[in-house]
Amino acid sequence: EVQLVQSGAEVKKPGESLRISCKGSGYSFTNYWISWVRQMPGKGLEWMGRIDPSESKTKYSPSFEGHVTISADRSISTAYLQWSSLEASDTAMYFCARSLGGVLTGYHFDYWGLGSLVTVSS
Amino acid sequence: DIQMTQSPSTLSASVGDRVTITCRASQNINSWLAWYQQKPGNAPKLLIYKASSLESGVPSRFSGSESGTEFTLTISSLQPPDFATYYCQQYNSYPLTFGGGTKVEIK
Repeated sequence: EVQLVQSGAEVKKPGESLRISCKGSGYSFTNYWISWVRQMPGKGLEWMGRIDPSESKTKYSPSFEGHVTISADRSISTAYLQWSSLEASDTAMYFCARSLGGVLTGYHFDYWGLGSLVTVSS
Repeated sequence: DIQMTQSPSTLSASVGDRVTITCRASQNINSWLAWYQQKPGNAPKLLIYKASSLESGVPSRFSGSESGTEFTLTISSLQPPDFATYYCQQYNSYPLTFGGGTKVEIK
């Protein structure tokens, strides 16, 4: 059974750093890309960026590039989303999602993690 | 960026109704469009990919179609589990973009 298991909820202060994780199981981790999607409270879905775990190649949305870092450790089938300095506006649910690669942008997201809630408040 | 304009933003319907949600792309996306369903507190779930291909396990009352840059999700007979928010998403070019969502409510 394919699963993307995300790390738990986090409460942080502005300026702090954070890394959340997404562990894939039930499939070959390096055969699929992992994207991160933000959902702010009561709002829609926003694609942040993705990683090809086989080569650790990343692509970011311009809206998020420079503010977050996406990485992966294929030895433990885990992708990460990282902030070096959180802001209150980073408060949101963050989903990881899997897509098949092979074309420039990858394909649709066929499996999603349950989400990691990040709260940033002083 | 490709803008995905979804309408309506909210839809009130009754069980058994035929429901249509529209998503318009700001430029050609070569049928690279997916539809997702999201219920409160849950992750999105894939319904349709490549504009009209039904994901395995999704009920056949869901269907997708396209005409140029306009895409449609149709629920042929609305059922109680279908009350949710629906999103379209293009994966033709970066950055990948979603529509604003359509909330299907009970009338």
